[in-house]
Amino acid sequence: GDSVTQMEGPVTLSEEAFLTINCTYTATGYPSLFWYVQYPGEGLQLLLKATKADDKGSNKGFEATYRKETTSFHLEKGSVQVSDSAVYFCALSYYGQNFVFGPGTRLSVLP
Amino acid sequence: DTGVSQDPRHKITKRGQNVTFRCDPISEHNRLYWYRQTLGQGPEFLTYFQNEAQLEKSRLLSDRFSAERPKGSFSTLEIQRTEQGDSAMYLCASSLFGTPYTGELFFGEGSRLTVL
Repeated sequence: GDSVTQMEGPVTLSEEAFLTINCTYTATGYPSLFWYVQYPGEGLQLLLKATKADDKGSNKGFEATYRKETTSFHLEKGSVQVSDSAVYFCALSYYGQNFVFGPGTRLSVLP
Repeated sequence: DTGVSQDPRHKITKRGQNVTFRCDPISEHNRLYWYRQTLGQGPEFLTYFQNEAQLEKSRLLSDRFSAERPKGSFSTLEIQRTEQGDSAMYLCASSLFGTPYTGELFFGEGSRLTVL
């Protein structure tokens, strides 16, 4: 079945450092890809998405590009802030059916 | 607050007891999802509804689990004869499926179950 793999955390960075969180997927078709974020004490919320190959999703300075050839959707941010400390989940879905989530990557940003 | 709400937020029960969780989605949302999350893992799909119809149920879901959405609004998830392995956070999410489709799920804060 379909699956999502993420780099293991926790990831600890200093403020203003560059962030990459790797995400790769296994899919039988061509799903939409998502990054969700969970801030401490809050529910998961959508960070960004891409619906087809070569699409780039972006939000709040974060970006990810749907790469069909490498089955990847890596999350990047040029300069992280303390407020970006959270758990990040990569996910896939076929048109709103069963969403498959990765295990999550915890990010801690130190001042 | 017009977000997704779940009740109760915490439930402690003894093995063998039945428990029920309730989810109230965002009012105009026609899709409602249940997920289970254990420590250090991502959400694991359980089932989802479109309006009152249950469209998909995980093959991993035991017969002890049942979910309903009787009027296409709130939903309940019941676990019968709980086992210690059922201890987890149960997440509810809702979305508006239509045109244009955004693919965004709105999650509640979850109901944490502890089975002793």
